[in-house]
Amino acid sequence: DAGVIQSPRHEVTEMGQEVTLRCKPISGHNSLFWYRQTMMRGLELLIYFNNNVPIDDSGMPEDRFSAKMPNASFSTLKIQPSEPRDSAVYFCASSSQTREKLFFGSGTQLSVL
Amino acid sequence: SQQGEEDPQALSIQEGENATMNCSYKTSINNLQWYRQNSGRGLVHLILIRSNEREKHSGRLRVTLDTSKKSSSLLITASRAADTASYFCATYDTGTASKLTFGTGTRLQVTL
Repeated sequence: DAGVIQSPRHEVTEMGQEVTLRCKPISGHNSLFWYRQTMMRGLELLIYFNNNVPIDDSGMPEDRFSAKMPNASFSTLKIQPSEPRDSAVYFCASSSQTREKLFFGSGTQLSVL
Repeated sequence: SQQGEEDPQALSIQEGENATMNCSYKTSINNLQWYRQNSGRGLVHLILIRSNEREKHSGRLRVTLDTSKKSSSLLITASRAADTASYFCATYDTGTASKLTFGTGTRLQVTL
């Protein structure tokens, strides 16, 4: 089992550019979560999907953020336009059952200059 | 916002000693989980305790849950340098279907 795969591992971009983060969940998992981690705010849940359907996106900071899950094996988190305050580590996680443990990817370290 | 608050924020012990971390939360929960995060890495699930359980063991880990006090503790016995990491509690509350909310974390340093 390859685990949750995120790409890229690191992303450095300039303010105003579009950023796309990618996630491949563990095969067979039906729930997918996007978290953001910063020193100031800790781990924040941005959005989660169940069976490819967005269930709760109340954690998405603003309209500049969007997430999609076109199929069970792929999800994207897009920031357009990016701002320096978006700099953080973004984690994707998946789960096979409701309210059970999450499996995390290695994260994407995003730096917006 | 953070559901759980870990205490202490940082803990430094010597190898072989026991480490105890505490977590307090605010709402009624379905279950509480503990995760470990090594520097620069993703989180790894350690143990899950359900709201009707009071204590659970896994190897050198012992977790307790007191729902009346809305608190949990994680005990790592006979710590090793490899246990150096940040530890987070996380809760699924009874109100939201699948929203796992993390605490602020405890940074554990185990020295030789």
